[in-house]
Amino acid sequence: DQQVKQNSPSLSVQEGRISILNCDYTNSMFDYFLWYKKYPAEGPTFLISISSIKDKNEDGRFTVFLNKSAKHLSLHIVPSQPGDSAVYFCAASVVGNQFYFGTGTSLTVIP
Amino acid sequence: DAMVIQNPRYQVTQFGKPVTLSCSQTLNHNVMYWYQQKSSQAPKLLFHYYDKDFNNEADTPDNFQSRRPNTSFCFLDIRSPGLGDAAMYLCATRLAGGADTQYFGPGTRLTVL
Repeated sequence: DQQVKQNSPSLSVQEGRISILNCDYTNSMFDYFLWYKKYPAEGPTFLISISSIKDKNEDGRFTVFLNKSAKHLSLHIVPSQPGDSAVYFCAASVVGNQFYFGTGTSLTVIP
Repeated sequence: DAMVIQNPRYQVTQFGKPVTLSCSQTLNHNVMYWYQQKSSQAPKLLFHYYDKDFNNEADTPDNFQSRRPNTSFCFLDIRSPGLGDAAMYLCATRLAGGADTQYFGPGTRLTVL
């Protein structure tokens, strides 16, 4: 059973605009959430994380928002750049336990 | 630079011919993971080591085995690869007690002919 879901397989955004990638989860016990970025023929690279005690975490152009009541998190990229084109995976865990990954969203930033 | 290395990057094997994939890390992390990822799917955890303690996922086929001879190295053995085992195999590491983040290698793309 897929505990973490990314319902949009792909997203296209113009350079300079905001990219919003969404992720939903079903397990209310999850308390740690991450986003990974993956280029073709490479492994996933850690991007940003958030603990369940927070509802927002920023790192430069990347911001992750967590809505625990809705069991939803999102990744905002502002402004989007062509180099951001990649597959983005969200992951969730109970701290210290295994990660559950979504199926990924392929982001294309159009110059 | 500290990193997770996987060899080979691409592996072609024949149906039923055993294959070994390797992972090494210079991060000195005590937890190592093996994932299988098929196209358009989420990475699927096969097993992990917490130090030398081996933890097998319940639905990991017996065809898949693993060895961790020391902290730095971990191997994935596929005893009799089937066509359904063609996938990207990802190794990841984590420092238990530190930030709960896994660091991935570049993966090995396995093709079964």
